[in-house]
Amino acid sequence: EVQLVESGGGLVQPGGSLRLSCAASGFAFDDYAMHWVRHVPGKGLERVSGLSWNSVTIDYADSVKGRFTISRDNVKNILYLEMNSLRAEDTALYYCAKDYRELPRYYLDHWGQGTLVTVSS
Amino acid sequence: EVVLTQSPGTLSLSPGERATLSCRASQSISNRYLAWYQQRPGQAPRLLIYGASSRATGIPDRFSGSGSGTDFTLTISRLDPGDFAVYYCQQYGSSVTFGPGTKVDIK
Repeated sequence: EVQLVESGGGLVQPGGSLRLSCAASGFAFDDYAMHWVRHVPGKGLERVSGLSWNSVTIDYADSVKGRFTISRDNVKNILYLEMNSLRAEDTALYYCAKDYRELPRYYLDHWGQGTLVTVSS
Repeated sequence: EVVLTQSPGTLSLSPGERATLSCRASQSISNRYLAWYQQRPGQAPRLLIYGASSRATGIPDRFSGSGSGTDFTLTISRLDPGDFAVYYCQQYGSSVTFGPGTKVDIK
């Protein structure tokens, strides 16, 4: 059974940093692309970033480009999202999701339960 | 960037009724690369449909998808109590973008 467990969320001041982690199990992690998707309650979903199986292909939403960095450890089966220069508008529930294929350009067939990031002074 | 528009914003129906949700793209989506997700309150999104019309594993056949080009539809033939949720479309023909969602609530 595919399991994705996010951690690392919390309360941070504007301008601060946070690192999210997603521990994956139940599938061959190093065969698939992974994504971070965020959800602001009452608003829609936004794909924040996607990363290919081999970390070569990386996508970022314009809203986070230059501030967020996605990475993965295919030995530990963990996906990361390093978030810097955080803003109030980054406040959201952040989901880790598995792609159907090896590039971050398809549909997301499994999702974690999310970790909440709150940016506030 | 491909922009997706979903309509209506909210659909108020009764259990047992048929729901028809629309997703329209700002440009044609290649290969019918469109997916639908269900998000129940307090839960993560769940994949329902991919490739515009293929049901994901374990999804009941009362859910069906159709469409091509710029116009796509998700149909729920008979609403179950657990189907009252928010539904998102997502295109993957050109990068990855989501629509704003349609909320299906109980009338």
